[in-house]
Amino acid sequence: NAGVMQNPRHLVRRRGQEARLRCSPMKGHSHVYWYRQLPEEGLKFMVYLQKENIIDESGMPKERFSAEFPKEGPSILRIQQVVRGDSAAYFCASSPPAGREDTGELFFGEGSRLTVL
Amino acid sequence: GIQVEQSPPDLILQEGANSTLRCNFSDSVNNLQWFHQNPWGQLINLFYIPSGTKQNGRLSATTVATERYSLLYISSSQTTDSGVYFCAVDPSTSGTYKYIFGTGTRLKVLA
Repeated sequence: NAGVMQNPRHLVRRRGQEARLRCSPMKGHSHVYWYRQLPEEGLKFMVYLQKENIIDESGMPKERFSAEFPKEGPSILRIQQVVRGDSAAYFCASSPPAGREDTGELFFGEGSRLTVL
Repeated sequence: GIQVEQSPPDLILQEGANSTLRCNFSDSVNNLQWFHQNPWGQLINLFYIPSGTKQNGRLSATTVATERYSLLYISSSQTTDSGVYFCAVDPSTSGTYKYIFGTGTRLKVLA
């Protein structure tokens, strides 16, 4: 059973370009979370999505950042007009839909490391 | 908001030694996980442990929710145990798993 898949693992962008990070949740999971880890820090919650719905985006920066989880395909975290401060590791996590298997545990991917030159 | 403190911040061990990592949190939580971030940056689930005790090989964890702390025990440490250990707690009751991460314990195991 494949885990949470993220790509690309590493992404380099110049200031002003766009970055797109993709996340496919574990099989059977319908809830996706994005977290950001700045250098030498712990992870911080950004956004929680279900299929075609943003449930909680209280941790997302107000500008330049957006996330989606379409009916088909992976979840995408999009950063427009990147700046050096966006350099970080972006982790995706997934959990199953509410029910017996939904214990509250999150399963994380290996992360996507964005470097802005 | 809830505060999550981990101690010690840094730890150096000789291979074979045992250690205890601590996580204190300032409010009641519904979910708690321990993670290991290896030197390559990968985040590995160790335990989901909102209460009670669990063991997995050389690792075990105990959470005393009423006293707002959790402990991670590493026995017979190996060089592959090196990395950062994070405790993460989720205080919400809404079903939105907005985990709050501690600042981590950075462990280095020497051969």
